[in-house]
Amino acid sequence: DQQVKQNSPSLSVQEGRISILNCDYTNSMFDYFLWYKKYPAEGPTFLISISSIKDKNEDGRFTVFLNKSAKHLSLHIVPSQPGDSAVYFCAKVGTSYGKLTFGQGTILTVHP
Amino acid sequence: KAGVTQTPRYLIKTRGQQVTLSCSPISGHRSVSWYQQTPGQGLQFLFEYFSETQRNKGNFPGRFSGRQFSNSRSEMNVSTLELGDSALYLCASSLGSGEYQETQYFGPGTRLLVL
Repeated sequence: DQQVKQNSPSLSVQEGRISILNCDYTNSMFDYFLWYKKYPAEGPTFLISISSIKDKNEDGRFTVFLNKSAKHLSLHIVPSQPGDSAVYFCAKVGTSYGKLTFGQGTILTVHP
Repeated sequence: KAGVTQTPRYLIKTRGQQVTLSCSPISGHRSVSWYQQTPGQGLQFLFEYFSETQRNKGNFPGRFSGRQFSNSRSEMNVSTLELGDSALYLCASSLGSGEYQETQYFGPGTRLLVL
């Protein structure tokens, strides 16, 4: 029962353009969603979060959109930079202490 | 503020041995969660501790255990190691405010190789 799905294993973008990373989830009313960036052999770095009561949250170059009717969220990175190249994970917290459920991750490559 | 720290960073063990990994949370954080990352299974939740008590547990065998100390530092132990236990073990901390919906901050991980 995979509750969080990232259907695109990889994404390649030109520097300066927009990167859009997508995530689908199974039904839940009270979820809290987070995006993390990860380099190999390192821990995930928190980027941005969104509560299920919101549609959008913005932090600098990062914006997360939540479409509750479609059970879909997306992370927009504008403008993309080569340093953004990493694996991006979406994750959700439900009504369960301390448990993040992660998607499979999307490898983002930003070309100079 | 210092981030989450984990020791050791790398570890090599042989099958049948046991291993203990350590995690120090961000100062002021009272909840500590542990995850296992493998190429095949991705990032999977092991367990969560708050106030020295395990509040939540994932679908892992009893060989995987943990504990938390009064200063919120946590350890996890894997007994009778198997080859499939080779993974990156990640610790994450959060405030422990009593809310489910908290942001977790991760440490750098411990890379365990079982031979």
